[in-house]
Amino acid sequence: DGGITQSPKYLFRKEGQNVTLSCEQNLNHDAMYWYRQDPGQGLRLIYYSQIVNDFQKGDIAEGYSVSREKKESFPLTVTSAQKNPTAFYLCASSPRDLRNEQFFGPGTRLTVL
Amino acid sequence: AQTVTQSQPEMSVQEAETVTLSCTYDTSESDYYLFWYKQPPSRQMILVIRQEAYKQQNATENRFSVNFQKAAKSFSLKISDSQLGDAAMYFCASPLISNFGNEKLTFGTGTRLTIIP
Repeated sequence: DGGITQSPKYLFRKEGQNVTLSCEQNLNHDAMYWYRQDPGQGLRLIYYSQIVNDFQKGDIAEGYSVSREKKESFPLTVTSAQKNPTAFYLCASSPRDLRNEQFFGPGTRLTVL
Repeated sequence: AQTVTQSQPEMSVQEAETVTLSCTYDTSESDYYLFWYKQPPSRQMILVIRQEAYKQQNATENRFSVNFQKAAKSFSLKISDSQLGDAAMYFCASPLISNFGNEKLTFGTGTRLTIIP
């Protein structure tokens, strides 16, 4: 089955630690995205990539980093510089043209202890 | 600033009745698509319906339809014959130009829809 997987579903981290969230897709999509969702707010774009080995900052990139070494994979690292990392993180992919819908993974809930 | 606005944080409707969720956007694009997504309690984002801006005809998917007013930049979602499974957060999304000059999809803050049995 084609789709997007995110792992883990729940993640706990101590303050001061970096953590990496996984996102993999087998839809052969060029573009991939990372969003953050907080209660009462919509989805805010962290980073996106329209092609392998290239990515752009979204609206709230500070304290996050990404890589895009393979078309299928777009991992997100939440660094210790992110002041308030507890949130729900969603990964999405789509064909490069924004006239196409984005397909979303099931999300990862990150909690900083 | 370019934005997507959903002015109704919460809505409720009796089962089998009709409800309309509102959305306004502010894109400078001339040819674009608009989207409504649904996020049920499982938190999986699901596409509900898509509207092509250059088409005058409003999109329809079964019980879901849109009222698209291009000049007013309004894109409301109508749900007919509401069912318990329609209870969810609903987000509208529009392509906007980012601060870096790249096109990106921007989401509204969402409307939480409750279905009353």
